[in-house]
Amino acid sequence: DAKTTQPPSMDCAEGRAANLPCNHSTISGNEYVYWYRQIHSQGPQYIIHGLKNNETNEMASLIITEDRKSSTLILPHATLRDTAVYYCIAFPSKAAGNKLTFGGGTRVLVKP
Amino acid sequence: KAGVTQTPRYLIKTRGQQVTLSCSPISGHRSVSWYQQTPGQGLQFLFEYFSETQRNKGNFPGRFSGRQFSNSRSEMNVSTLELGDSALYLCASSPRQGTNTEAFFGQGTRLTVV
Repeated sequence: DAKTTQPPSMDCAEGRAANLPCNHSTISGNEYVYWYRQIHSQGPQYIIHGLKNNETNEMASLIITEDRKSSTLILPHATLRDTAVYYCIAFPSKAAGNKLTFGGGTRVLVKP
Repeated sequence: KAGVTQTPRYLIKTRGQQVTLSCSPISGHRSVSWYQQTPGQGLQFLFEYFSETQRNKGNFPGRFSGRQFSNSRSEMNVSTLELGDSALYLCASSPRQGTNTEAFFGQGTRLTVV
């Protein structure tokens, strides 16, 4: 699985958009970019995933660069409840199993 | 639809003892994976079960084992507990194996070894 690199932490103002970058320069053509988040002491929660095209759901938007070497997760209107560790993961579309490799993630603190 | 249920939520054990943790996946999900989370090592994959068979295994010693039952419920066992086994143990379920579907995690079992 491709290695992903994320900044260790970032702050965001409540009500503003939070843009979380992820570098995955070694991603292969069959690997999707997945985002999960983990609120303190809870299990990780799936947010969104994509392959090439930008994706949007009720939680966030995912922008993937054309060369697929990096992506950005956008939380459009951050709330205090979005304070969490956000993980970017590259996962093959035809994996032999459901093994997720978590890196260090980005610790996001949403401030009032 | 009920989520992934892990029991117990908290557990305190003594070094040398063994422990069994339980995970009930979302109804209809057949893949169950286990993860260990510690402050030092982060989230690490332990193993995955699908249709009662272990399909993937992480880099953990043989003291860590698991099984899956015909109703997809899973248990993991840690024998001869060490202080370093203190961690949050998370279970995740998915509908199928090896697909680009999201995994649903339980709240975890926090194990403290004293």
